[in-house]
Amino acid sequence: GQQLNQSPQSMFIQEGEDVSMNCTSSSIFNTWLWYKQEPGEGPVLLIALYKAGELTSNGRLTAQFGITRKDSFLNISASIPSDVGIYFCAGHTAGTASKLTFGTGTRLQVTL
Amino acid sequence: ETGVTQSPTHLIKTRGQQVTLRCSSQSGHNTVSWYQQALGQGPQFIFQYYREEENGRGNFPPRFSGLQFPNYSSELNVNALELDDSALYLCASTITIGQSGEQFFGPGTRLTVL
Repeated sequence: GQQLNQSPQSMFIQEGEDVSMNCTSSSIFNTWLWYKQEPGEGPVLLIALYKAGELTSNGRLTAQFGITRKDSFLNISASIPSDVGIYFCAGHTAGTASKLTFGTGTRLQVTL
Repeated sequence: ETGVTQSPTHLIKTRGQQVTLRCSSQSGHNTVSWYQQALGQGPQFIFQYYREEENGRGNFPPRFSGLQFPNYSSELNVNALELDDSALYLCASTITIGQSGEQFFGPGTRLTVL
């Protein structure tokens, strides 16, 4: 099945550093979502974006909906050890039930 | 904690067997979707149920089937299991069919097919 392209695939950073990851698609989406998944758990919704160009924050997380509607990025500022996990982007298009198309994931490791 | 629960947590089956996985949606949510997540991959959409009817299906064969009950809980059934069916199976609930796509996931059922 289709998966969106996420980069980087993995990141090793030090506590306190900022992180940036992005997601691109060949298709247009009406909604972009960012999820975090930890081992043995389901994905947890972090941020949802509904409009091209929209910039939304949730604590230390900031995400943007690209103006072409084919990309999105997620920034995490001042990373902490509990940020460790796999971050997935997901796109949704109206009229396709509620099917989400997920990215390939970015694995984040934070060292002290 | 999303309020979406799944059972069982883990399951081991052999090739050719059948399996039923269960999901209880978040309170007030009437739409449930099922996803398959292979190791190292993002979740892949299997199908969605709304008001007890299938409302969209991904690229999965007919041996993957589902049910939604009047209380909005749901089942995923897989017949004639194959080795490649080994994966984490996730259900996600949405408040209703709509435009937002916001879905809340359960912890998943880890299925191993030997």
